[in-house]
Amino acid sequence: HLQLQESGPGLVKPSGTLSLTCSVSGDSVGSTSSYWTWVRRPPGKGLDWIASIYYTGSTHSNPSLDNRVTMSVDESKNQFSLRLMSVTAADAAVYYCARRRPFKYYFDIWGQGILITVSS
Amino acid sequence: SFVLTQPPSVSVAPGMTAIITCGGNNLERKGVHWYQQKPGHAPVLVIYSHSDRPSGIPERFSGSTSGNTATLTISRAEAGDEADYSCQVWDSSRDQVVFGGGTKLTVL
Repeated sequence: HLQLQESGPGLVKPSGTLSLTCSVSGDSVGSTSSYWTWVRRPPGKGLDWIASIYYTGSTHSNPSLDNRVTMSVDESKNQFSLRLMSVTAADAAVYYCARRRPFKYYFDIWGQGILITVSS
Repeated sequence: SFVLTQPPSVSVAPGMTAIITCGGNNLERKGVHWYQQKPGHAPVLVIYSHSDRPSGIPERFSGSTSGNTATLTISRAEAGDEADYSCQVWDSSRDQVVFGGGTKLTVL
């Protein structure tokens, strides 16, 4: 069955770039049956959708992130990635990767999450 | 942008029924989905498309939507139901996912 696992640095400096990877097992990241997504939860706040990508590279992201987000798919490693530029303290959160199916606008599979701290 | 409004907290006695609401414009015409999140764990989908339950989710969990309000109902509440519950929709006019602010359910 499909499983997702986040990996990344844990600590990012203010104004730096956060890079996270989600490893996919139990399915291919090049599958036509999944949209790959990043969601975060800042401490004390609600869930916040970041961006989603299809295997074709077609991406859509939360406009509140002011074009700081890029996503990519690496079929050779069966992974997808997130880059968030110019981070501030407001970007500190638990980051989750998740999956939704085409034409199904909910997330049925989630990774366990990774805590990201922003500090110098 | 589209906004989903949830009460910050709801309390329920064990064995009673918990009702968590989610307000937004014309929710009846969107698909409303609900997630349960316990501390230190990832969100779990408990209701999708207003009222459907994924496999493995107890029948005690049910959902409905009418007009501008979606409701998650948890019958015969248990201590293990204590969690944060979030609603979510897809805003097709902007191609973006929207989450509610979350409701902390306390079973006491």
